[in-house]
Amino acid sequence: GIQVEQSPPDLILQEGANSTLRCNFSDSVNNLQWFHQNPWGQLINLFYIPSGTKQNGRLSATTVATERYSLLYISSSQTTDSGVYFCAVENDYKLSFGAGTTVTVRA
Amino acid sequence: SQTIHQWPATLVQPVGSPLSLECTVEGTSNPNLYWYRQAAGRGLQLLFYSVGIGQISSEVPQNLSASRPQDRQFILSSKKLLLSDSGFYLCAWNTGGELFFGEGSRLTVL
Repeated sequence: GIQVEQSPPDLILQEGANSTLRCNFSDSVNNLQWFHQNPWGQLINLFYIPSGTKQNGRLSATTVATERYSLLYISSSQTTDSGVYFCAVENDYKLSFGAGTTVTVRA
Repeated sequence: SQTIHQWPATLVQPVGSPLSLECTVEGTSNPNLYWYRQAAGRGLQLLFYSVGIGQISSEVPQNLSASRPQDRQFILSSKKLLLSDSGFYLCAWNTGGELFFGEGSRLTVL
């Protein structure tokens, strides 16, 4: 199956800092999504982004499908941004997840 | 609008007992349905997916099974739970695009 690698595994930020999370995948994919898992375990959809760039408030994402990677940018981080960020890619109906990046934003 | 409901939210079961987790989707028809499991501090592992009634594909050999008795209902079952079945179980759906998750069911097997 498709391999999905996320980096870094852990990230500690001071409130107000910017950061970039990376997702590499091993094969062509039909779509790619970024999720945020909050402390209660709920998975929140951030971006559905098989290619191109999207922005939503302080978050933005870019997927370069031909080079098999995606980036998630967090700007002016807030403590509410803490949690685990997952990248997931779809091939043949199935969504495969990376191991996640755990982000801790300190006040 | 589409919604997904999953229950129970939390359960504690003894080893060897049966399991039934249920998931229903509203506001859409013929969705693809998925069961994922997340062990503590880990990523999500796909267990089963279904593209139609009665059509179940298994991704990981285990003592769990899944069924889809109706178009928008997906059930995860076990006849005898193992300690290793503990985890956070998530149901999800899509219609070929963006995937949406339920609230999750936290299972502890003692």
